[in-house]
Amino acid sequence: QKEVEQNSGPLSVPEGAIASLNCTYSDRGSQSFFWYRQYSGKSPELIMSIYSNGDKEDGRFTAQLNKASQYVSLLIRDSQPSDSATYLCAVSGIGGGADGLTFGKGTHLIIQP
Amino acid sequence: DGGITQSPKYLFRKEGQNVTLSCEQNLNHDAMYWYRQDPGQGLRLIYYSQIVNDFQKGDIAEGYSVSREKKESFPLTVTSAQKNPTAFYLCASSKHYEGGRGYTFGSGTRLTVV
Repeated sequence: QKEVEQNSGPLSVPEGAIASLNCTYSDRGSQSFFWYRQYSGKSPELIMSIYSNGDKEDGRFTAQLNKASQYVSLLIRDSQPSDSATYLCAVSGIGGGADGLTFGKGTHLIIQP
Repeated sequence: DGGITQSPKYLFRKEGQNVTLSCEQNLNHDAMYWYRQDPGQGLRLIYYSQIVNDFQKGDIAEGYSVSREKKESFPLTVTSAQKNPTAFYLCASSKHYEGGRGYTFGSGTRLTVV
């Protein structure tokens, strides 16, 4: 059974600071890794995907992947109140998600103005 | 505009009743998925379909059924065999080769047993 673990939080970060979200996964065969943002009562939206070890940056967001340690992280720089949401980590196998993703329970992030 | 539509937004089910949740997409996506989300939990895969007239069970398929008669449509039936159906149900679609990179989610259906 594939498992994805996240600290449920809440994680409280001051506005303008860096928010750091972490995720570990159990299946060493996992190939693709995703971060989704979900506002309360809404559907998830993809914000980052990463497939190889190292860092990937997109605007204020940086995803980091370490396959040897089986962890993925998401950094949000210059945090804004609009970043307050639940962040879901998701992983897939060789199919890249075509046969579905395994999601963590999510980390609830609160940006304090 | 292209998108994925789920209906209804809210649904109430009586004990022992079957209900069907609708999911329609006009994105020309090949693959479609149903996920269930309980409060404070992540998404769990119920069923998925990569092509018309074919679908596969996910991690929690018991008590659910699906059909894929058209590329655009992937309805989910919650049967009376599903003992705890109260949850937020999300439908997603993607191009076959994009997988999670290209997921588009619908706005969800919130099902409550009364």
